[in-house]
Amino acid sequence: NAGVTQTPKFRVLKTGQSMTLLCAQDMNHEYMYWYRQDPGMGLRLIHYSVGEGTTAKGEVPDGYNVSRLKKQNFLLGLESAAPSQTSVYFCASSYASLLGDTQYFGPGTRLTVL
Amino acid sequence: DAKTTQPTSMDCAEGRAANLPCNHSTISGNEYVYWYRQIHSQGPQYIIHGLKNNETNEMASLIITEDRKSSTLILPHATLRDTAVYYCIVRPRNRDDKIIFGKGTRLHILP
Repeated sequence: NAGVTQTPKFRVLKTGQSMTLLCAQDMNHEYMYWYRQDPGMGLRLIHYSVGEGTTAKGEVPDGYNVSRLKKQNFLLGLESAAPSQTSVYFCASSYASLLGDTQYFGPGTRLTVL
Repeated sequence: DAKTTQPTSMDCAEGRAANLPCNHSTISGNEYVYWYRQIHSQGPQYIIHGLKNNETNEMASLIITEDRKSSTLILPHATLRDTAVYYCIVRPRNRDDKIIFGKGTRLHILP
């Protein structure tokens, strides 16, 4: 079990470039999440998905798009990167249960936009 | 806005119990209290969660007040590896809802 994996681990972009961050989980979890974390800040939810083919906005969705075409994958896209999107991005997944749900996090992707 | 209030930072001597408080005065009946921690540069790690009863696992204990408006995470014998940011989160049973992490408590374990 690899758990939650993220690719790439690091990336540097120029303003206006686009890229896609990939999150994969092998735990058959229904729910998946994308967060960003800036220095000295807590995690802020960008978008999330409650199942294959569904997505929803979180706290800070502007400038990002997501897709959940397969249950195990959740993609985060930046169509036109801006310096304000320099951050560490974390993906998480969880299993729906009446006893609550525990989120499992990936190792993060460090993105710098110049 | 975050639904929880935590101290910005705390210190604890190595080997002693670390008690991290969290206020969640607007918690509703179907919301759980979760605790996560984040060690520097790593992804957050689940610690424990509860609804209204006290909970204990191999990592920590969670004490929830009877009115559920506050809780305390207890690390019984803190080690240097427990130095991290600890997040207290309230989470509804209906998971089709946003999750607010807040800024957490930065716990320093002192040798």
